[in-house]
Amino acid sequence: NSKVIQTPRYLVKGQGQKAKMRCIPEKGHPVVFWYQQNKNNEFKFLINFQNQEVLQQIDMTEKRFSAECPSNSPCSLEIQSSEAGDSALYLCASSPWTVGEQYFGPGTRLTVL
Amino acid sequence: QQQVRQSPQSLTVWEGETAILNCSYEDSTFDYFPWYHQFPGESPALLIAIRPVSNKKEDGRFTIFFNKREKKFSLHIADSQPGDSATYFCAAFYGNEKITFGAGTKLTIKP
Repeated sequence: NSKVIQTPRYLVKGQGQKAKMRCIPEKGHPVVFWYQQNKNNEFKFLINFQNQEVLQQIDMTEKRFSAECPSNSPCSLEIQSSEAGDSALYLCASSPWTVGEQYFGPGTRLTVL
Repeated sequence: QQQVRQSPQSLTVWEGETAILNCSYEDSTFDYFPWYHQFPGESPALLIAIRPVSNKKEDGRFTIFFNKREKKFSLHIADSQPGDSATYFCAAFYGNEKITFGAGTKLTIKP
């Protein structure tokens, strides 16, 4: 069973507001991923980190999203100015050194009114 | 180039039958192919995965068949049970840099 912790589980924001969510990866997992899962269940990879360093991120993340994974603190994903289209389930996953073996947290469900 | 195509979008089989879910990809650099399942209201969970050095991987009732030449892989669920009803996602990775998921197959097992 996954031990990835995500908070909050639910987040409601107005358009233009900041939305911030946090993730604590499983102990000993150096790689952290953020995904967006929309209402059609489609996954979109957003960004990933390895030991606090960004490995890869998509354009959307670069422009309105900010994310960090400081040492000894939870990882975070923040939307600077929420839009209705950002309403989705945001999933954090962590991975040990074994490439591809990801363990997902319960997700943060964001609703932008 | 990085797309993974998954089919069918939905599948219904009777209890005890074998359910077959399919995926294909184009980028030959992908080197890890996992399947996840996701039950309603829950997050995805890793089910089984394969690397291109093998053409088959089994774990109980779950088997991945991998065809490197045709760039296809499939998940076979033998002796399907109602508890297997979920949405299944295939994915393709190249290291931790290139990651793409299929659109999902909603599997329903009828008792």
